[in-house]
Amino acid sequence: QKEVEQNSGPLSVPEGAIASLNCTYSDRGSQSFFWYRQYSGKSPELIMFIYSNGDKEDGRFTAQLNKASQYVSLLIRDSQPSDSATYLCAGRHGNKLVFGAGTILRVKS
Amino acid sequence: DVKVTQSSRYLVKRTGEKVFLECVQDMDHENMFWYRQDPGLGLRLIYFSYDVKMKEKGDIPEGYSVSREKKERFSLILESASTNQTSMYLCASSGVQGQETQYFGPGTRLLVL
Repeated sequence: QKEVEQNSGPLSVPEGAIASLNCTYSDRGSQSFFWYRQYSGKSPELIMFIYSNGDKEDGRFTAQLNKASQYVSLLIRDSQPSDSATYLCAGRHGNKLVFGAGTILRVKS
Repeated sequence: DVKVTQSSRYLVKRTGEKVFLECVQDMDHENMFWYRQDPGLGLRLIYFSYDVKMKEKGDIPEGYSVSREKKERFSLILESASTNQTSMYLCASSGVQGQETQYFGPGTRLLVL
């Protein structure tokens, strides 16, 4: 069973702080990873994906991948109350994505 | 702009009814997926299709079937709905390898009484 693990949270951070969301995976064959944001009652929307070891930045978001440690993270700088949502990590396995259960993030103003 | 649509946002059915959930994408994607999402369990793959008339079982196919007669349309069928199939159902589509980002529809919240 290919697994992606996330801490369910909730992770609470004050407005303006950096939120750090983490994910580990068991399938060493996974080559690409995806972060989705899901607001309550809505469907997941893609934030960013990462293929290579290291960091990838997009605006306030930075994804980090460490294949040796089988670890993926998402950093959100200058967190805003509108960032409050569930964040889903997914790893690609063939044509499919394997999703973690998600981490709830709460940004307090 | 990427668009995946689902036939209903909310659906209420009775136990034993046959239920059809339909998904349409306008991105000419080869791959289409059906998930269900339940609190604490995350997204679980029911079935997926990588081509017209082709399908593969996901992690929880029991009690479900699918149909893909046209590239843009992927249907999920609950042959005889049961209360444990009450859930949020999400459809997604993606292109071929290298463009494998999955785009999700708005979801159908199904209640089986």
